[in-house]
Amino acid sequence: DAKTTQPTSMDCAEGRAANLPCNHSTISGNEYVYWYRQIHSQGPQYIIHGLKNNETNEMASLIITEDRKSSTLILPHATLRDTAVYYCIVRVATGGFKTIFGAGTRLFVKA
Amino acid sequence: GAVVSQHPSWVICKSGTSVKIECRSLDFQATTMFWYRQFPKQSLMLMATSNEGSKATYEQGVEKDKFLINHASLTLSTLTVTSAHPEDSSFYICSAPQGTNEKLFFGSGTQLSVL
Repeated sequence: DAKTTQPTSMDCAEGRAANLPCNHSTISGNEYVYWYRQIHSQGPQYIIHGLKNNETNEMASLIITEDRKSSTLILPHATLRDTAVYYCIVRVATGGFKTIFGAGTRLFVKA
Repeated sequence: GAVVSQHPSWVICKSGTSVKIECRSLDFQATTMFWYRQFPKQSLMLMATSNEGSKATYEQGVEKDKFLINHASLTLSTLTVTSAHPEDSSFYICSAPQGTNEKLFFGSGTQLSVL
């Protein structure tokens, strides 16, 4: 699986958009970008995933650059409950491949 | 979304005893499940891949005789920490992939404290 690079931590004001970047310059053509988050002392939660097109769901939007070497997770209106560690992962979508977590980005949403 | 149930949420045991953690996929079948452990302020570390009806696949450095994994049905995987010691104290999390793009759904985790 391709390696990802994320900032260690970020701050965001409540109600503003939180933009979390991820670099994955060695991503392969058949690898998807997945985002998960982990709120303190809980199991991680799936957020969104995509291959090359931008994706949006009820939680977030995922913007993938045209060369697919980086992506941005956007939480449009961050709340205090969005404070968590956000993990960007690239992996093949099928075949039961294991998911390896990096260090992630610790997002602090402040009132 | 899919639900993965993990029990117990926390357990305290004496050194030398064994502890079993259960992971169930409640509304879908999972031929594969993954077990992770997490130390404070660190990321999740994959321990092993649990395969229904066959032996688990362990990551390098993980003792298979200490961390026994059984995946007896399509909805249940168990992790048994045998002869637990204080250094085994950690947060253990299971997950199962679901759907066409194998999104991972996670249990709520088990905090193990070995005295």
